[in-house]
Amino acid sequence: NAGVMQNPRHLVRRRGQEARLRCSPMKGHSHVYWYRQLPEEGLKFMVYLQKENIIDESGMPKERFSAEFPKEGPSILRIQQVVRGDSAAYFCASSPLGQGTYTQYFGPGTRLTVL
Amino acid sequence: SQQGEEDPQALSIQEGENATMNCSYKTSINNLQWYRQNSGRGLVHLILIRSNEREKHSGRLRVTLDTSKKSSSLLITASRAADTASYFCATDKAGGTSYGKLTFGQGTILTVHP
Repeated sequence: NAGVMQNPRHLVRRRGQEARLRCSPMKGHSHVYWYRQLPEEGLKFMVYLQKENIIDESGMPKERFSAEFPKEGPSILRIQQVVRGDSAAYFCASSPLGQGTYTQYFGPGTRLTVL
Repeated sequence: SQQGEEDPQALSIQEGENATMNCSYKTSINNLQWYRQNSGRGLVHLILIRSNEREKHSGRLRVTLDTSKKSSSLLITASRAADTASYFCATDKAGGTSYGKLTFGQGTILTVHP
């Protein structure tokens, strides 16, 4: 059973470009969480999605950031018009149920560098 | 201070010694989880302890939870150089619409010298 997969592992963008980060949850998991980790800090929750639904996006910046988890295919975290402050590691995690009683399994992360 | 705050921030020990890390949190929780992160890598889940549990073991790991003090500790016995990593506690807040989202602390950087 493959783990959570994220790609790309490293992404370099210039200011003003768009970044698209992909996450494929573990087989059988229908709940996806995105977290952001700034250098030397812990992870911060961004958004929680189920298939075709955004359940909780309380951690998402109000502008430029969006997320989706379509019926088919991976979950996508999209950052428009990136700025240097967006440079961070972005992790997604998946779980079989979203009620907090199951372990979240994390992917290897995408390290975004904005030049 | 933040929900899920670890103490100490950094810990340096010799191989074979025990390492103890503490985590404090502010709100009621469903469960508390400990994760390890090697430098530049993703997170590896170590152990989950539910709010109605007081102690849990997994191999060389021992986790305690004191809900009255809103604190948890992670003990790694007989440490190895390979245990060198950052360790994070993460809490799942009880009630409301937390939907299982985790709140992470800043982490403890553990260095085990051979």
